[in-house]
Formats: sequence, C-alpha cells, structure tokens
Amino acid sequence: DTEVTQTPKHLVMGMTNKKSLKCEQHMGHRAMYWYKQKAKKPPELMFVYSYEKLSINESVPSRFSPECPNSSLLNLHLHALQPEDSALYLCASSQELVNEQFFGPGTRLTVL
Amino acid sequence: GQQLNQSPQSMFIQEGEDVSMNCTSSSIFNTWLWYKQDPGEGPVLLIALYKAGELTSNGRLTAQFGITRKDSFLNISASIPSDVGIYFCAGRSNDYKLSFGAGTTVTVRA
Repeated sequence: DTEVTQTPKHLVMGMTNKKSLKCEQHMGHRAMYWYKQKAKKPPELMFVYSYEKLSINESVPSRFSPECPNSSLLNLHLHALQPEDSALYLCASSQELVNEQFFGPGTRLTVL
Repeated sequence: GQQLNQSPQSMFIQEGEDVSMNCTSSSIFNTWLWYKQDPGEGPVLLIALYKAGELTSNGRLTAQFGITRKDSFLNISASIPSDVGIYFCAGRSNDYKLSFGAGTTVTVRA
C-alpha cells in the first residue's frame, strides 16, 4: 500500500456542528501532517506529528484539534468552525521528518 | 515557512512543446521538491532533489537543484494534454517545514 487515504472526500457542516476528518497510511511512515489549502494557493501547514507526538502547531485556532491514535492514523476534529475555514484539507506523510512528503487526495470542507 | 518566488505564474502550452518553470529563495534549502496538483486532488510528488547541483529525471520531467541551494527548475519535454495542472515547488531547510511556491498554472493553448 503506497498511498495516503482521506475520508470523507467532501464534508458540509454548520457552524455549531462537530465533525472529524480522517487520514490513514500503511507505508510505515512516522511523520504525518495536516495542511489547509485555499483555491489556487499553496498548502499551508497546520500540524506535524512525529512518532505519534505533536511536533509542530502552526498557531492554529483551537476549533481545530488534531489526534494521532496510532502510527497509521491521523484525525482532525472540527468544532464551531467559521465559513472562512472552508477549504481543502490535506493530509501528508513521510518516512521521517527529513524525507519527502506524500499527500492524500484531501477533504473538501464547506462551512455554512 | 517563507513563500518562494515561483515563475511563471501561468503558462499556456501547445502539445509537443518543452516548458520550463523555476523557483528562487532568499534562504538556503537542503531539499527541493516538485509537485503537480490536479483540480480537486492532492499534490502528487514528481521529483525530489537532495544535493546542490543534482539533476534528476522522471520520464519527460527533469529538475535541478541549484548550485547556490537557493533555486531549482523543472522542465517538461514534449508536453501532452495531461500535463495541465498546477505545479508547486517546495523547499526545506533545517526546521523540517516545507516552504511552497505560489504555483505555476499550466493550461493547454486552444
């Protein structure tokens, strides 16, 4: 298995909802990442996990809460989001922090 | 991370043409990566470069890691319609974070 998978592919939620995005990889990678991408812009780093521990939090608002239950899974819990949080949320993984990152297909999130 | 200077911002290609794009940075990088992103999909890694001066090919794609470690270019030879998309360069220094270029949008010329 040489890919990063993400579910759901699309998500529409209201500002009072709680939802979660899921990411999975079975390549034995020990670093996993969450990015946010607006249309026609490059990805912006949100969080980095290394060996299941949070290494980097790019000053992301607390309405986004990451979780790494094991070395293959990465979740992003969403609560009380704003319409401006609508974007493509990308997960990525790499063998270690120094190695090249492989991206998943993303979750298209719309906040109403 | 910082944003890199990627040019051109957009280009139109005719099938069979060679195309080139590049990225420059004010900082030194240890790694340069080139990604392609299709609409509604995640970026796909095309080429990874780890040494200054390194020239690497992947099919019709060729990329180089600049000697100064502050730039990289990507060439696509004999372009085909499926080459359309957005190409991003990305560089990494010692802090493990990727800095991305703004992207080059490649469109087929009618």
